[in-house]
Amino acid sequence: GAGVSQSPSNKVTEKGKDVELRCDPISGHTALYWYRQSLGQGLEFLIYFQGNSAPDKSGLPSDRFSAERTGGSVSTLTIQRTQQEDSAVYLCASSRDRGNNQPQHFGDGTRLSIL
Amino acid sequence: GDSVTQMEGPVTLSEEAFLTINCTYTATGYPSLFWYVQYPGEGLQLLLKATKADDKGSNKGFEATYRKETTSFHLEKGSVQVSDSAVYFCALNAGGTSYGKLTFGQGTILTVHP
Repeated sequence: GAGVSQSPSNKVTEKGKDVELRCDPISGHTALYWYRQSLGQGLEFLIYFQGNSAPDKSGLPSDRFSAERTGGSVSTLTIQRTQQEDSAVYLCASSRDRGNNQPQHFGDGTRLSIL
Repeated sequence: GDSVTQMEGPVTLSEEAFLTINCTYTATGYPSLFWYVQYPGEGLQLLLKATKADDKGSNKGFEATYRKETTSFHLEKGSVQVSDSAVYFCALNAGGTSYGKLTFGQGTILTVHP
């Protein structure tokens, strides 16, 4: 497709379960970013990928969070042993490269609800 | 560290009113500045950008000018429409060792009544 695609669009799970969120960036975009949007914290950066490597993981809130990217394309964000405070909308964005004048294009997000 | 501060919302206007949403920033170096918009039930969309001082970004009747001397990037529109009702986010990209990540303001909810 032409835009950034994220799946699932909604995920409801029980506390303590693991979840995987998927992001399919725009074709040819080398830079990929994960952000989290929550009522109390606004929009927060989580992790950045350039190709398959992640030079900046500084926004991951705990070691329960991890992410990978394969083939310079699809990325998955995994949250282990989910907690209620993990409930948020997880947004993925991609850009042509990491240059600071490059706009980031966002997916519609995955709304995660932890019961 | 880098930060963005937006005016408190929500903002409620009548159709055809003038809109200003204030945005100021703190950053090292020479950041690029962006306004993103999130319409109800939709994802974030880039509205406009400016990459250097005195640049003016514009799109869909919205404008914002990159003012380095006041570290500001205020969003303006001369005549709002009901369809402009959305959440507006100011953001900066400081580049360099920030690896291109965006730092966002807290968002401003705009509601336009007919």
